[in-house]
Amino acid sequence: GAVVSQHPSWVICKSGTSVKIECRSLDFQATTMFWYRQFPKQSLMLMATSNEGSKATYEQGVEKDKFLINHASLTLSTLTVTSAHPEDSSFYICSAREAAYQPQHFGDGTRLSIL
Amino acid sequence: EDKVVQSPLSLVVHEGDTVTLNCSYEVTNFRSLLWYKQEKKAPTFLFMLTSSGIEKKSGRLSSILDKKELSSILNITATQTGDSAIYLCAVGWNSGGSNYKLTFGKGTLLTVNP
Repeated sequence: GAVVSQHPSWVICKSGTSVKIECRSLDFQATTMFWYRQFPKQSLMLMATSNEGSKATYEQGVEKDKFLINHASLTLSTLTVTSAHPEDSSFYICSAREAAYQPQHFGDGTRLSIL
Repeated sequence: EDKVVQSPLSLVVHEGDTVTLNCSYEVTNFRSLLWYKQEKKAPTFLFMLTSSGIEKKSGRLSSILDKKELSSILNITATQTGDSAIYLCAVGWNSGGSNYKLTFGKGTLLTVNP
């Protein structure tokens, strides 16, 4: 149980392209989903919290116009990296939880490389 | 600034050894401490601890929380090569209202050699 699917797993694209990453909870309804960014040998850094049907809450220093988050249903959240540049290259990983104070379950992550 | 510190950052052992991984934290509005195992991709959930002094156990893995010392340990007995991974500690806390989120440590890279 508690499976989270994230697609794509790997993206390479040119600078200026927008990239959409999907995060789905497969066997539970996720009232809240989270988007993290992980640099090599660093911890997971929370970018934003996404609640179904409402606007995402972004962490300090994260550009909401650059990283668009949509949580249109209880099983799907998307992160769109708009006009991506090489400095946006990173490992992006989503998580989902069924209810407040429950453990978060993670997707497999997306390796984004911007040329 | 809230923080979660794990030690050691890396550890190399032989199969059959017992290891203890440490996690200390300084957060406001603490709710829980979680351990995850990260191999190649997604972190997989191991334990969530909310009460001090109560050991949680799953097979060869066990963990306990000490709220007085603001720390937790993760023990792995009779280690196997399949235990090789990064072990992440995360602390759940309320950042305002019902906004509950996790702050992660940098992880401990465990390598178990045959």
